[in-house]
Amino acid sequence: NAGVTQTPKFRVLKTGQSMTLLCAQDMNHEYMYWYRQDPGMGLRLIHYSVGEGTTAKGEVPDGYNVSRLKKQNFLLGLESAAPSQTSVYFCASGRDRERHGYTFGSGTRLTVV
Amino acid sequence: AQKVTQAQTEISVVEKEDVTLDCVYETRDTTYYLFWYKQPPSGELVFLIRRNSFDEQNEISGRYSWNFQKSTSSFNFTITASQVVDSAVYFCALSELNYGGSQGNLIFGKGTKLSVKP
Repeated sequence: NAGVTQTPKFRVLKTGQSMTLLCAQDMNHEYMYWYRQDPGMGLRLIHYSVGEGTTAKGEVPDGYNVSRLKKQNFLLGLESAAPSQTSVYFCASGRDRERHGYTFGSGTRLTVV
Repeated sequence: AQKVTQAQTEISVVEKEDVTLDCVYETRDTTYYLFWYKQPPSGELVFLIRRNSFDEQNEISGRYSWNFQKSTSSFNFTITASQVVDSAVYFCALSELNYGGSQGNLIFGKGTKLSVKP
């Protein structure tokens, strides 16, 4: 019963580098989300997915791309990292429109220098 | 537009005091869900409660209680007899059923940092 697993937990990137954050859930949830958390800003939605093969933009999608090739995995990509993308990234998954409590991963702390 | 406001940025109390965290929301929807999450210093987000807009009954879970009032669009959270382990950032969040353009997306408040001192 791992729930939602995010890898890596920490990463330091140089400006312009690319990377992919992986989110994996083992609860057969349809809905998956990527949020970023910045000091004093709460959590803001980057991208989300309502099922395998689907993705959509959230509140702050610029500079990120996502893919959901398999139901259990939701990948967040940074094509060319910028210092403004320094943040803590959280993945979450949830059941259908019944809006049960979402399960969050433990977060990835990303620093772009 | 949907919005969640947590006006208290930081609260500091002494152990055993009662403390209430305020949450005010705005929504166009008649069907929506409200949540509280706890983020301890370790960083993970812990689900505390979910409430739908048709259920205005207050809820109590141990030392935690929640007061939902649609008339004032508030969903306040009270910790009774606070403990040092309650020290964390607490987030209130809203999810709209019909108008949430991002299906099921949670709109978070900016959080309230609670410090409980021994």
